[in-house]
Amino acid sequence: SQTIHQWPATLVQPVGSPLSLECTVEGTSNPNLYWYRQAAGRGLQLLFYSVGIGQISSEVPQNLSASRPQDRQFILSSKKLLLSDSGFYLCAWSGLEAGSTDTQYFGPGTRLTVL
Amino acid sequence: GENVEQHPSTLSVQEGDSAVIKCTYSDSASNYFPWYKQELGKRPQLIIDIRSNVGEKKDQRIAVTLNKTAKHFSLHITETQPEDSAVYFCAAISDGTPLVFGKGTRLSVIA
Repeated sequence: SQTIHQWPATLVQPVGSPLSLECTVEGTSNPNLYWYRQAAGRGLQLLFYSVGIGQISSEVPQNLSASRPQDRQFILSSKKLLLSDSGFYLCAWSGLEAGSTDTQYFGPGTRLTVL
Repeated sequence: GENVEQHPSTLSVQEGDSAVIKCTYSDSASNYFPWYKQELGKRPQLIIDIRSNVGEKKDQRIAVTLNKTAKHFSLHITETQPEDSAVYFCAAISDGTPLVFGKGTRLSVIA
């Protein structure tokens, strides 16, 4: 079966500091990977998605970036955090092992607070 | 691109009553419609989905209906229980694109 991990689970960072969030998926090969942000009490905002190593699509302009150095690893980064970057960051995957590449499964999330 | 509208944004029902959440989509090429449930502080979890070649799908107390002509789909929860209280998201997808989510509905089941 497939498992998705995210770390850290919670993070408190000062404004202007860098950020690195990591997501890994087990039990699948060549998954589609996604990063979402969810502000408090709000919906799911798609930030980036990747269909393969080194292939990143950005959905919104921002001070965040994403990389996929390995098949099952997806990293979200920032050089300088803003207050508005606070939120719940969710990684998700989809792939044929789940029966369809359409269905997305979410990781446990990272709660980021920027002070 | 696809646009998904979801309503209502909040819904309160008495325990045992039914709850209905509706979504409309804009892209007639969309062919897959999942529903996710997100409890407070947790990740969204898939609860039911439907493909465009099916009009209705049921799983115990949960059902989803799809009207392709009108481009809308609905989630029906019968005999609601307090543990059904959560935020529910609908989504739509057409081939080769990521899911597009609605803004969510906060369901409160009052005991």
